[in-house]
Amino acid sequence: EAGVAQSPRYKIIEKRQSVAFWCNPISGHATLYWYQQILGQGPKLLIQFQNNGVVDDSQLPKDRFSAERLKGVDSTLKIQPAKLEDSAVYLCASGDGTRSYNEQFFGPGTRLTVL
Amino acid sequence: GENVEQHPSTLSVQEGDSAVIKCTYSDSASNYFPWYKQELGKRPQLIIDIRSNVGEKKDQRIAVTLNKTAKHFSLHITETQPEDSAVYFCAAPLSGTYKYIFGTGTRLKVLA
Repeated sequence: EAGVAQSPRYKIIEKRQSVAFWCNPISGHATLYWYQQILGQGPKLLIQFQNNGVVDDSQLPKDRFSAERLKGVDSTLKIQPAKLEDSAVYLCASGDGTRSYNEQFFGPGTRLTVL
Repeated sequence: GENVEQHPSTLSVQEGDSAVIKCTYSDSASNYFPWYKQELGKRPQLIIDIRSNVGEKKDQRIAVTLNKTAKHFSLHITETQPEDSAVYFCAAPLSGTYKYIFGTGTRLKVLA
């Protein structure tokens, strides 16, 4: 079974620039998450999708971050414009969302450096 | 909302000794508790999990215990090896959702 795919793996941009990350979840997984992991901290949920609908985006800084999952499969996360404090690893995870609990499988992450 | 506290933040043990990491949670309706291992520069990987209908689960050198009354769960690693060195995260779901709150992580160092 293929895992969660993410690209790019690394990105370096200057502040105020825009950046986009892509995630392809495990086939058949209905639930998709984007997390932000700042160095030395645990993953923090940014947004959660169930199929192509947003379930939770309460911690997404909506003035600069946006995400979509138009066909209920792949997802993109965008930052526009980026700030220095956005430097972090952005992790995508997926789960099948059909049980009373939901195992999450993480992708390799995209390491963003904002200069 | 759910709050997850994890202790200790760092832990050093001699190879062959045991390591214990503890997490407490606030949402009494939480029903699933995973543990993730994250090596430097890599993704978090699920190493063991426990559901609320059992008190303990073991997988070779790794075990997890759950005390629902006290609302805490612990990761136990026995006969530690240098390759166990990593950051370990616990997580708990917000009840009725698939939204997970992660602990702050424990950096485990196994000294050879």
